[in-house]
Amino acid sequence: ELKVEQNPLFLSMQEGKNYTIYCNYSTTSDRLYWYRQDPGKSLESLFVLLSNGAVKQEGRLMASLDTKARLSTLHITAAVHDLSATYFCAAEGTGNQFYFGTGTSLTVIP
Amino acid sequence: GAGVSQTPSNKVTEKGKYVELRCDPISGHTALYWYRQSLGQGPEFLIYFQGTGAADDSGLPNDRFFAVRPEGSVSTLKIQRTERGDSAVYLCASSLVGYRQDTQYFGPGTRLTVL
Repeated sequence: ELKVEQNPLFLSMQEGKNYTIYCNYSTTSDRLYWYRQDPGKSLESLFVLLSNGAVKQEGRLMASLDTKARLSTLHITAAVHDLSATYFCAAEGTGNQFYFGTGTSLTVIP
Repeated sequence: GAGVSQTPSNKVTEKGKYVELRCDPISGHTALYWYRQSLGQGPEFLIYFQGTGAADDSGLPNDRFFAVRPEGSVSTLKIQRTERGDSAVYLCASSLVGYRQDTQYFGPGTRLTVL
């Protein structure tokens, strides 16, 4: 079974700072997804990374995928309070199901 | 357009009872997935439908859990003889064709509490 690990699990950062969330997965998967979840809400799709070296950016968030290292990163630039949420990465298994990490709870402090 | 909807939004039941959770996928989406999310954890895969058939049910924890999708649209997750450990948020997702490269869109979830 595909195992997905994220770190850190909890992240508290000041507004304006930069930080990176890491997502490692255990076996080969060339599809990696990032989701955002606000408290009490469902998951919102952020990025779909479909190949080695893929990089996608949306606003202050940038995601990348290195399939050889089995690593994806979500980089936050100049954080703002609205980015406070829990971020999940998910790797796609051979059967089309997603395997999720445990999430990174991000709090941006004014 | 309408997204994935799930009913009920909250369900409280007693240990040993039977519950049904409903999912309405995005219109036209052939693939449907059920996940379970416990507090502080990521979603855990339960079952995946392609059309009317269960293409992968390897995530169902035991035979108390069963899901159907008789007409290839709405799906129902059924849990028999509920246990306190079944308490979680049950999430449904759908995608257009279910093949790789296909984004899954999630519903708001049903919060199940077993007393």
